[in-house]
Amino acid sequence: EIVMTQSPATLSVSPGERATLSCRASQSVSSNLAWYQQKPGQAPRLLIYGASTRATGIPARFSGSGSGTEFTLTISSLQSEDFAVYYCQQYNNGLTFGGGTKVEIK
Amino acid sequence: EVLLVESGGGLVQPGRSLRLSCAASGFTFDDYAMHWVRQAPGKGLEWVSGISWNSIIIDYADSVKGRFTISRDNAKNSLYLQMNSLRADDTALYYCAKLIAVSGYWYFDLWGRGTLVTVSS
Repeated sequence: EIVMTQSPATLSVSPGERATLSCRASQSVSSNLAWYQQKPGQAPRLLIYGASTRATGIPARFSGSGSGTEFTLTISSLQSEDFAVYYCQQYNNGLTFGGGTKVEIK
Repeated sequence: EVLLVESGGGLVQPGRSLRLSCAASGFTFDDYAMHWVRQAPGKGLEWVSGISWNSIIIDYADSVKGRFTISRDNAKNSLYLQMNSLRADDTALYYCAKLIAVSGYWYFDLWGRGTLVTVSS
């Protein structure tokens, strides 16, 4: 099973600042990596697929990069609605999620 | 409206069974693989099981293999999860999710709101 490790577990950021979230795979997943956002009491929402392609309706402040085993989700200027938990997910070999990064208000 | 609605959750004793359902609408159900993903209270997402559009390819997480059975009825636009021999660590919100492939990349583009399963005596 491919293990996905996200860091940090919690990220404290002020509104307007940049947030950088990391996701590492225990073996290569090529670019078969997606990012989801989850707010309390809501289902996850797709942000990024193919490591770097924004899903429909996702603002340009969200960007994804990386391939192989190292991936990054960047939120260029945090808005109030962006404070949430973010998960990465691979489907290159089986299907696994990372443990999540909570982005909280500093 | 494109929608997934889960049902069938509830409180169940350890060792007992429960059957979850997911009703799909607003898209061509039998074009897509469907999956179950769960989330224990305060925890992260855990993939549980998936089934191809024609039910030929089925897979399970090791944690549920041999106890859970996924199935679908394309005529009824419905996905199911039969859960047997339930344990306390199966307590979670169970989401139904639609899997899509674009340019060789696979991801979940539609999720239900979930149904809560609580396993406790």
